[in-house]
Amino acid sequence: GQQVMQIPQYQHVQEGEDFTTYCNSSTTLSNIQWYKQRPGGHPVFLIQLVKSGEVKKQKRLTFQFGEAKKNSSLHITATQTTDVGTYFCAGPIYNFNKFYFGSGTKLNVKP
Amino acid sequence: DTGVSQDPRHKITKRGQNVTFRCDPISEHNRLYWYRQTLGQGPEFLTYFQNEAQLEKSRLLSDRFSAERPKGSFSTLEIQRTEQGDSAMYLCASSLLGTGRGSTEAFFGQGTRLTVV
Repeated sequence: GQQVMQIPQYQHVQEGEDFTTYCNSSTTLSNIQWYKQRPGGHPVFLIQLVKSGEVKKQKRLTFQFGEAKKNSSLHITATQTTDVGTYFCAGPIYNFNKFYFGSGTKLNVKP
Repeated sequence: DTGVSQDPRHKITKRGQNVTFRCDPISEHNRLYWYRQTLGQGPEFLTYFQNEAQLEKSRLLSDRFSAERPKGSFSTLEIQRTEQGDSAMYLCASSLLGTGRGSTEAFFGQGTRLTVV
């Protein structure tokens, strides 16, 4: 079963509103990665977080790694229609060589 | 194009037939992964190679599935006696072996969409 859980499954927002997706793991993660998949596309790497409590920003995107390294979040400020897609977190479970993906949060932005 | 390429992009096959997919990773990447993705789900890990060695296989990979990476470059994924439940997007990804724990970012190909009828 899924070792990495994501919520919410879907999020519909009006353009300009903020958006947050949360990722939770049953085990401590050495690092966590975030990917974006556009409709009909393939996952594209966004960022990797490694340190406990780490916060990284990419323009309107803010990524956080929890202090216990069991959860992470992605926050998008003032969404745009170009943000539409599914956002996945992925973490190495049991060993460092394979990443388990969450089920993703599908974001729809209404113009 | 220097990204990860997969061939074919789409495959429709009859139940019971064998299919083979090919993945060409980014040339300097020593790690290659195969994932399977169904609608509304995240990619599920199937197997990975470090150079030509297949180091791990998921229990999702039944005996009907086999993957190879003969010279540490391209890889093939074969499914024998396909079943309707095999219908999915098969994604290949490659990465460099990281200097610390865990791999660096994975670059995904466009995937091969398999439909078993």
